[in-house]
Amino acid sequence: KAGVTQTPRYLIKTRGQQVTLSCSPISGHRSVSWYQQTPGQGLQFLFEYFSETQRNKGNFPGRFSGRQFSNSRSEMNVSTLELGDSALYLCASRGGSSYNSPLHFGNGTRLTVT
Amino acid sequence: KQEVTQIPAALSVPEGENLVLNCSFTDSAIYNLQWFRQDPGKGLTSLLLIQSSQREQTSGRLNASLDKSSGRSTLYIAASQPGDSATYLCAAVWDSNYQLIWGAGTKLIIKP
Repeated sequence: KAGVTQTPRYLIKTRGQQVTLSCSPISGHRSVSWYQQTPGQGLQFLFEYFSETQRNKGNFPGRFSGRQFSNSRSEMNVSTLELGDSALYLCASRGGSSYNSPLHFGNGTRLTVT
Repeated sequence: KQEVTQIPAALSVPEGENLVLNCSFTDSAIYNLQWFRQDPGKGLTSLLLIQSSQREQTSGRLNASLDKSSGRSTLYIAASQPGDSATYLCAAVWDSNYQLIWGAGTKLIIKP
C-alpha cells in the first residue's frame, strides 16, 4: 500500500508570490491534516479536512488555505508569501474519522521563501 | 493554555541502555497522547497512541505511559540501538478543540 505522498519535495519562492502544495493520502483514508514545522515554532497544526469538509483549523492567518477533493487528495495554498513562511510543510492522513486513529505522515514539502 | 513540554532537548546514551523520554502537558482533560519519531529529512512516524482511558501502550521495545493526574507521559525504550537515533516528539489532543499540540522534541543519539 502506497504511503502518503507530498509534492513537490522542495520549493523556492519569492516574497509576495503564492504557492500550492499537494498531498495524496493513503488509499481509503478520508482525513488529511496539514502541519507547519519551523526551527523557531516547532510543529503547528494548520487544518484538517475530512470528506471534502474542513473539520478543524489552527491559528494561522487567512493567507493559508486548503481544500480536499472527492478522491481525498488535498492541496494547501499560501498566498502573499512572507519570509517567515519558510518551513517544512507536512501532511498526514488517518484511516478513520476518530481522532484516536493513528496518523500517517508524508515526507513533507520544504518551502523556502526568499 | 494547552501546552506540551519535552525535556531534555537532547540526550546521548550508549547502545544497549534502557532509557526514558519525558513529556509533560497542561490540562489533565486530555483526549489522547501520541509519540512520534522523526528522522532527518523525513516526515514523522507514529509510534504509540494512548487514549485518555488507557494507562499505557506497548510496541516491541517501546512502552509509553500516561498519567493524567500529574500531566506526564513517558516513552520507555528498552535495549537501545543506533537505529533508534532520531528526534522523538510527543503531541496531545484535548477534546476542547481536537487539535494536535506538539512538544519541541527530544533529539536522541545512541552511541555504538
